[in-house]
Amino acid sequence: QKEVEQDPGPLSVPEGAIVSLNCTYSNSAFQYFMWYRQYSRKGPELLMYTYSSGNKEDGRFTAQVDKSSKYISLFIRDSQPSDSATYLCAMTRAYSGAGSYQLTFGKGTKLSVIP
Amino acid sequence: EAGVTQFPSHSVIEKGQTVTLRCDPISGHDNLYWYRRVMGKEIKFLLHFVKESKQDESGMPNNRFLAERTGGTYSTLKVQPAELEDSGVYFCASSQKTGGTETQYFGPGTRLLVL
Repeated sequence: QKEVEQDPGPLSVPEGAIVSLNCTYSNSAFQYFMWYRQYSRKGPELLMYTYSSGNKEDGRFTAQVDKSSKYISLFIRDSQPSDSATYLCAMTRAYSGAGSYQLTFGKGTKLSVIP
Repeated sequence: EAGVTQFPSHSVIEKGQTVTLRCDPISGHDNLYWYRRVMGKEIKFLLHFVKESKQDESGMPNNRFLAERTGGTYSTLKVQPAELEDSGVYFCASSQKTGGTETQYFGPGTRLLVL
């Protein structure tokens, strides 16, 4: 079983739609959850991060974490053509002392927002 | 502030040849990570430097890969001799721990094709 599962899509939606992206994971040690956006031929860019369970909102983006279900989501409201990109979930263990906080990624979901 | 830079952006080599990838992290970032994305797979961790020391190299695939970070600034990743399965996109990320967490900033990646 992969540590992080993410449906690669592709996902195509009309402009203005609400987009829901999600990942499931198996490792209970994960405490920090991130969403990265990656445009073609670019590196991943951090969109949002959330610690443990709960919601976090930033403009049109909302990240949700449900640790009991090992399920995380990213919602995009009023989607725009400029949101077209690959969205990657990533996660890592709690930051405590020295050590490596390597990120474990999902495969990424390719999103297209059609004008 | 300049972001993470990587050189070259693309490299095409023949099986058995040697290739060296370079990463320049954000100035002042002690942490430097290397990741790799093989086609069709998720981005996977290779290794982590703290300044010039290897903190975690558990993701390095085999001894054909050698990473260095002399002086704690830029890092190189050498593949010698390259094999077909080494093809992929190699990402570098840097971070600095602040307030108990760290955000990893990614470079644009080096696309390596081994023929």
